[in-house]
Amino acid sequence: SQQGEEDPQALSIQEGENATMNCSYKTSINNLQWYRQNSGRGLVHLILIRSNEREKHSGRLRVTLDTSKKSSSLLITASRAADTASYFCATDDGGGADGLTFGKGTHLIIQP
Amino acid sequence: KAGVTQTPRYLIKTRGQQVTLSCSPISGHRSVSWYQQTPGQGLQFLFEYFSETQRNKGNFPGRFSGRQFSNSRSEMNVSTLELGDSALYLCASSPIQGGETQYFGPGTRLLVL
Repeated sequence: SQQGEEDPQALSIQEGENATMNCSYKTSINNLQWYRQNSGRGLVHLILIRSNEREKHSGRLRVTLDTSKKSSSLLITASRAADTASYFCATDDGGGADGLTFGKGTHLIIQP
Repeated sequence: KAGVTQTPRYLIKTRGQQVTLSCSPISGHRSVSWYQQTPGQGLQFLFEYFSETQRNKGNFPGRFSGRQFSNSRSEMNVSTLELGDSALYLCASSPIQGGETQYFGPGTRLLVL
């Protein structure tokens, strides 16, 4: 079953602008991860944030986690055309029984 | 290190047939997980193998099965194919069982006619 729900489902911005995607989930988690997928190919791991962390940075990526609201956001700063892709949040409840539980993703289009 | 490889990349089958997909994990990775991705259901966990044993299984019928070999390579089998099995099947590896970060392969796109 899907745990994460990304918002918005699609986002189109101009190159150079910042892109923000949100993810909500339903149950307690051990960590939350963001993945990128280009054109129906494999997923690329972007960043992992643990349940006891509130914010994490990696290059142009900034992730926040609010466990009280069961939500996370991914900010991509200074977007580039190469950032065009689908972005998925995935939760790990730590039990391993269900693998990673993915949301349905946000499709991001960067207009040149 | 070479990434996760999956073969074949594309496959067309007809209803009722069976199919076997193959996955070679990153060298040194012992856990292999399989996911199904469809437009309607999104990404769903199929199963995880570690040390040649299935450790976890998602909510899929028994037609979906897999195995792992001593070199950590894994195969996934779907018997009696249905139209709804058309999907992108993704394999992911990690160094340990239930590894936090999953490294995904490019996927096998299966079309069932």
